[in-house]
Amino acid sequence: EVQLVESGGGLVQPGGSLRLSCEVSGLTFSSYWMSWVRQAPGKGLEWVANIKQDGSEKYYVDSVRGRFTISRDNAKNSLYLQMNSLRVEDTAVYYCASGQRLGYWGRGTLVTVSS
Amino acid sequence: QTVVTQEPSFSVSPGGTVTLTCGLSSGSVSASFYPSWYQQTPGQAPRTLIYNTNTRSSGVPDRFSGSILGNKAALTITGAQADDESDYYCLLYMGSGIWVFGGGTKLTVL
Repeated sequence: EVQLVESGGGLVQPGGSLRLSCEVSGLTFSSYWMSWVRQAPGKGLEWVANIKQDGSEKYYVDSVRGRFTISRDNAKNSLYLQMNSLRVEDTAVYYCASGQRLGYWGRGTLVTVSS
Repeated sequence: QTVVTQEPSFSVSPGGTVTLTCGLSSGSVSASFYPSWYQQTPGQAPRTLIYNTNTRSSGVPDRFSGSILGNKAALTITGAQADDESDYYCLLYMGSGIWVFGGGTKLTVL
């Protein structure tokens, strides 16, 4: 069974930082692109970033480029999202998903940016 | 900036057929946008239905199908059931490594 489990969400003040993690099991992690998708409360899905199998390519939505960094550790079957300079509008549930076409999804972790 | 467009809402009768679409504010959607479709019920993570225009994800019943209709990607549900009542999102590849979701369609089965 494929499982993606996100962690690291929480409450942070504007301008603060958080690091999200996603632990993957049940698939050959190192063979997949991996992605982050977010969903603000009551809103639609927003593609955030993805990373190639070996980490050599990374892409970001314009609104997070320069503030967020996606990374991975294939030895630990884990995906990360380092989020700096957080803004109120970054408040959302953050999902990790496998592949560029988001075949498998985690249940998400809530990030709340508020003073 | 090109926006991915979806109908905000749609309704279908139980047993009926509905086609949801995914377009662009400027231009046409083709297979080279690798359209994908996702289903989400409130409080749940999304579920992948279709990728690469018309390939069903594992375990997805064949009453869900994807296609290109005219200048849009389309998701057709035949024999709609009560538990198809969900939000549906399309995802398109915009080039240069960037993917964009549509705003979603809220489907009501009544």
